[in-house]
Amino acid sequence: SQQGEEDPQALSIQEGENATMNCSYKTSINNLQWYRQNSGRGLVHLILIRSNEREKHSGRLRVTLDTSKKSSSLLITASRAADTASYFCATDALAGNKLTFGGGTRVLVKP
Amino acid sequence: KAGVTQTPRYLIKTRGQQVTLSCSPISGHRSVSWYQQTPGQGLQFLFEYFSETQRNKGNFPGRFSGRQFSNSRSEMNVSTLELGDSALYLCASAPLGGNTEAFFGQGTRLTVV
Repeated sequence: SQQGEEDPQALSIQEGENATMNCSYKTSINNLQWYRQNSGRGLVHLILIRSNEREKHSGRLRVTLDTSKKSSSLLITASRAADTASYFCATDALAGNKLTFGGGTRVLVKP
Repeated sequence: KAGVTQTPRYLIKTRGQQVTLSCSPISGHRSVSWYQQTPGQGLQFLFEYFSETQRNKGNFPGRFSGRQFSNSRSEMNVSTLELGDSALYLCASAPLGGNTEAFFGQGTRLTVV
């Protein structure tokens, strides 16, 4: 079963615009990670935010985490055509490295 | 450092056959996890190995099994293949026992006909 849901399921924007997607989860977590996947290929790790962190930046990416609402958001600023991909959030709650994924957001960036 | 390597990249098998997929983690990583990705069910956790021991297991039938070797390389095996086993199988490696980034390979695309 999937831990959470991502919203929206799909997003279409123009190059240069910002893209925001949200992830909600159900149980307490240790960390939340965001991944990108291009056309059914492997997952590329984007960023990890720990449960005691509220915001994290990496390049054009900004991630927030609200543990009281059990939700996270990923913002991609100044999007590029190369950002076209599916984006997944993943949480780990148990000991070990078992990740539970959301359903993903498909992002299309039009040139 | 080389990334996570999965072999083979593509595989076509017939119903009833068995298949073995291989994953070589990033050098120094001791945790290897396996995931199945399908359009209908999304990304689902199969199992995790750490220091040659299975530590977590997902909700999959016993036809799905795995193991990890002393060099941290891992294999997963699916016996008596069914059409529904067609999926992208992804392997992830992590350096420690938890609370760290997990890095994925390119996956093995398995098609069962």
